[in-house]
Amino acid sequence: DQQVKQNSPSLSVQEGRISILNCDYTNSMFDYFLWYKKYPAEGPTFLISISSIKDKNEDGRFTVFLNKSAKHLSLHIVPSQPGDSAVYFCAARDYGGSQGNLIFGKGTKLSVKP
Amino acid sequence: KAGVTQTPRYLIKTRGQQVTLSCSPISGHRSVSWYQQTPGQGLQFLFEYFSETQRNKGNFPGRFSGRQFSNSRSEMNVSTLELGDSALYLCASSLDPQLGSGVSSYEQYFGPGTRLTVT
Repeated sequence: DQQVKQNSPSLSVQEGRISILNCDYTNSMFDYFLWYKKYPAEGPTFLISISSIKDKNEDGRFTVFLNKSAKHLSLHIVPSQPGDSAVYFCAARDYGGSQGNLIFGKGTKLSVKP
Repeated sequence: KAGVTQTPRYLIKTRGQQVTLSCSPISGHRSVSWYQQTPGQGLQFLFEYFSETQRNKGNFPGRFSGRQFSNSRSEMNVSTLELGDSALYLCASSLDPQLGSGVSSYEQYFGPGTRLTVT
């Protein structure tokens, strides 16, 4: 059973607007969440992370929000740019698990149209 | 600082053969993890190595194995290849600070991957 779910396989947004990518999780023992961006034929690139003791983390145009009671996190990209077009993966770390095991969602393909 | 490197980038093998993939982590990173990415399953965790020891293992058959050397470089091996093993194999490294160091760094940094095609 999927512990990390990205229910939207794709998202299309106009340049300059906000992109909101969503992620739900089921395991309450997850204590750290990460977002990765992936272009075709490349490995995922780390974008931003958030600890479960926080509800928001911001880095430039990227903001991640965490709602622990709803087991939901979201990535906001403002303003969206055509270069942001990629597949975005949400990942989670299990508290008490080894650092090297991240559990990934299946990804959301973001298309930012000029 | 150089990123994670993986060799080879592309590989074509036939069923029944075995294959070895290599990964060099970022300098100073001690944890190396391997993932398999397929279109239907996304990224799935294979195993993690730390200090030459397998620390964690995903739900893959025993045909998938790995090791880590004293310089943190890692290899993974797949024996008796099957068509379903065709995938992008990704290696990731992380800092894995000692407990109590005050440094929190759970981010993993990925290499470009090895695209394996089994015919």
